[in-house]
Amino acid sequence: DTAVSQTPKYLVTQMGNDKSIKCEQNLGHDTMYWYKQDSKKFLKIMFSYNNKELIINETVPNRFSPKSPDKAHLNLHINSLELGDSAVYFCASSLRGADNEQFFGPGTRLTVL
Amino acid sequence: AQSVSQHNHHVILSEAASLELGCNYSYGGTVNLFWYVQYPGQHLQLLLKYFSGDPLVKGIKGFEAEFIKSKFSFNLRKPSVQWSDTAEYFCAVNEKNAGNMLTFGGGTRLMVKP
Repeated sequence: DTAVSQTPKYLVTQMGNDKSIKCEQNLGHDTMYWYKQDSKKFLKIMFSYNNKELIINETVPNRFSPKSPDKAHLNLHINSLELGDSAVYFCASSLRGADNEQFFGPGTRLTVL
Repeated sequence: AQSVSQHNHHVILSEAASLELGCNYSYGGTVNLFWYVQYPGQHLQLLLKYFSGDPLVKGIKGFEAEFIKSKFSFNLRKPSVQWSDTAEYFCAVNEKNAGNMLTFGGGTRLMVKP
């Protein structure tokens, strides 16, 4: 059984388009995250979302918006895609609190042409 | 702001060699420390974690790490690497009692030659 799943696995699109990446977890966790991994493999937190409490990394452009229909899902919507958005996006989940392991999804490789 | 530094960007070893990957963090408060591994084409998996107690922690696949508070370090070690350890290794930190948003180091790419 997949613990944290993401769709799609690969996404190729043109500049200016709007796209969404979906994430689902079946671990019963109450907190979900989005991370961005750039071409140099550097991983950076984008968002943390817990029971409608959204914590945003202030460096994330407002073209990126997380949407959580319920605590098992956290989707990432990106407006007006730019070349620099090309990266691998990882979803993760955990129980709330710093003393809890985060479980990561397989990643979505986004390529903006 | 927190920061995590991994000084070795690329490491190449032969099988059976010993491994030590450096990790230093910059943060004044109390932290939790993690090492994650990313095998080629796969997602991140937790190798080990330190929350409190014995500063020498053992993880999966024969890995261990030692937390040295005075040096702000959490180095990863393995006495004898295998070809299957070829992967990217990430050190990460979060702040206790302040949510669970991890700050990652830049990663170390380990290649083990058979």
